[in-house]
Amino acid sequence: GQQVMQIPQYQHVQEGEDFTTYCNSSTTLSNIQWYKQRPGGHPVFLIQLVKSGEVKKQKRLTFQFGEAKKNSSLHITATQTTDVGTYFCAGRVGTGNQFYFGTGTSLTVIP
Amino acid sequence: NAGVTQTPKFQVLKTGQSMTLQCAQDMNHNSMYWYRQDPGMGLRLIYYSASEGTTDKGEVPNGYNVSRLNKREFSLRLESAAPSQTSVYFCASSRERVGLVTEAFFGQGTRLTVV
Repeated sequence: GQQVMQIPQYQHVQEGEDFTTYCNSSTTLSNIQWYKQRPGGHPVFLIQLVKSGEVKKQKRLTFQFGEAKKNSSLHITATQTTDVGTYFCAGRVGTGNQFYFGTGTSLTVIP
Repeated sequence: NAGVTQTPKFQVLKTGQSMTLQCAQDMNHNSMYWYRQDPGMGLRLIYYSASEGTTDKGEVPNGYNVSRLNKREFSLRLESAAPSQTSVYFCASSRERVGLVTEAFFGQGTRLTVV
């Protein structure tokens, strides 16, 4: 079954508002990745987090990895129309090659 | 560099027909993957190959077979297509570095409809 859950499934925001998506795993993750998929496109890598409690920033995007390495979040400050798409987390368990993708959060930004 | 190339981009099959989805990468990556994407389900791993000559089952392998032909190519075969296999299929590749899997690069996807 699905090991990595993501909420919310959909989010509509006014341009300029903030946005957050949450990723939760039933098991401890060795690392977690985040991807963005534009409508009709393919997933594109954003970032990888490895350490417990790690926080990384990319311009308006802030990524966090939980202390217990079971959850993660992506926060976008002051959304823009270019942020539209579906955001996926993907968690790795142990040292295997498998990444378990979350169900994704579809972001719509209303101009 | 083309990255990850998938063919075909679109396909319609009748129930019971067979077909092979092709994938090739030119980044010299060791690991390659096949995912399917269905609405509300995210991406689910079908099969993966950690290196040339090895393949392993992922979350949803039933009804599929794979071949890692060489380091560049990883194909996915549907022996007897079923409507439940209607989906978007993505191939991806990644590189191991000091025991840490790096980011996956995805192909453009194959939109498969089984009628």
